[in-house]
Amino acid sequence: GQQVMQIPQYQHVQEGEDFTTYCNSSTTLSNIQWYKQRPGGHPVFLIQLVKSGEVKKQKRLTFQFGEAKKNSSLHITATQTTDVGTYFCAAPHPNRDDKIIFGKGTRLHILP
Amino acid sequence: GAVVSQHPSRVICKSGTSVKIECRSLDFQATTMFWYRQFPKKSLMLMATSNEGSKATYEQGVEKDKFLINHASLTLSTLTVTSAHPEDSSFYICSAERLGLVGDTQYFGPGTRLTVL
Repeated sequence: GQQVMQIPQYQHVQEGEDFTTYCNSSTTLSNIQWYKQRPGGHPVFLIQLVKSGEVKKQKRLTFQFGEAKKNSSLHITATQTTDVGTYFCAAPHPNRDDKIIFGKGTRLHILP
Repeated sequence: GAVVSQHPSRVICKSGTSVKIECRSLDFQATTMFWYRQFPKKSLMLMATSNEGSKATYEQGVEKDKFLINHASLTLSTLTVTSAHPEDSSFYICSAERLGLVGDTQYFGPGTRLTVL
């Protein structure tokens, strides 16, 4: 079935290093959303990207939507311990806009 | 990998009727499941946390008497929309939490589209 592939599954970084997670789809996406789930919590909406080539920033987080609208990335600059958690991307099913597909998430662990 | 199923995937009902949505973890036990609601082109909104063997924890603004949650077993949680109205039409998604040695992982169900006429 339709999938949104998210990599890597796990990432350990030293505090202060950068971190990037990627989502890829074989089909064009109408939009893509990013969520963050803190340990013990539930996914919280971060941002939605709609336009081809769109880049949005939230403090140290940079979100990109590819020109072909088939991939997206979340980049964190100079990670902090508060960035620990799992980051999910989600996108509408290409043929059924009433269905959302989640990536499997990237778990970020920060080494002090 | 772990799979979470939801049933039904789509349901259309008349106003005033009740609809039950099931969320099952197929190959792991989940003491905690989450229920979300998504409006068209919007983000997910957490409705409640379903805890096996105890009462669900509802988010502020979510009517517990309208959205009944039952987590009767470690693999099944149900959401019942009681006396449904057209404004309840939405996309409902569950997720199940799998406990692990290196951390807990959320697995999302495929969602249920509810349309209330």
